[in-house]
Amino acid sequence: AQKVTQAQTEISVVEKEDVTLDCVYETRDTTYYLFWYKQPPSGELVFLIRRNSFDEQNEISGRYSWNFQKSTSSFNFTITASQVVDSAVYFCALSHSGTYKYIFGTGTRLKVLA
Amino acid sequence: DVKVTQSSRYLVKRTGEKVFLECVQDMDHENMFWYRQDPGLGLRLIYFSYDVKMKEKGDIPEGYSVSREKKERFSLILESASTNQTSMYLCASSLLYGRPDTQYFGPGTRLTVL
Repeated sequence: AQKVTQAQTEISVVEKEDVTLDCVYETRDTTYYLFWYKQPPSGELVFLIRRNSFDEQNEISGRYSWNFQKSTSSFNFTITASQVVDSAVYFCALSHSGTYKYIFGTGTRLKVLA
Repeated sequence: DVKVTQSSRYLVKRTGEKVFLECVQDMDHENMFWYRQDPGLGLRLIYFSYDVKMKEKGDIPEGYSVSREKKERFSLILESASTNQTSMYLCASSLLYGRPDTQYFGPGTRLTVL
């Protein structure tokens, strides 16, 4: 079965705190792709990162970092020194070689309080 | 930058009405998608198109149809709107067929059926 689980439905943090959003996936394929998207209150899903299954290097982009661990089938997302503008729903998604389809998690709503 | 636009941000319709949701992308992408987003359910694929006049059913096609007469435009049609079709509808596009390319999303249309 192919599945993406985002167990955290909602997280609230105070500005400047670090926060990690969890993503656990299930797949039998050896070639797959993982994505993170941000959905701010405006509604549009904004692409954040795409990672293939052969690249286990962690990624850092400014205050954002991603930890990909095949051993635990996880692709977690950390925001360092969170800001109010980070408040959004974050989606993790899985796709496979040879298909266009994404399997989305149910999303994690992050609230960053001033 | 890829731009995906949707014809309306908010729409209110009555039960039984025929509803058209329009989506346009400006990057010559082959693939276009329609999703609906409901709380706790994440994004679910309604229909997919990989070329002009070509379409495939997604996970929840019942009650919907689609039209793609031009490469840049993908329409979602609710033949006879029902209250259970009240939802957020998101359009997306990606570059090439048969590959898990990054999907780029429009701003969404929040449809309310009374």
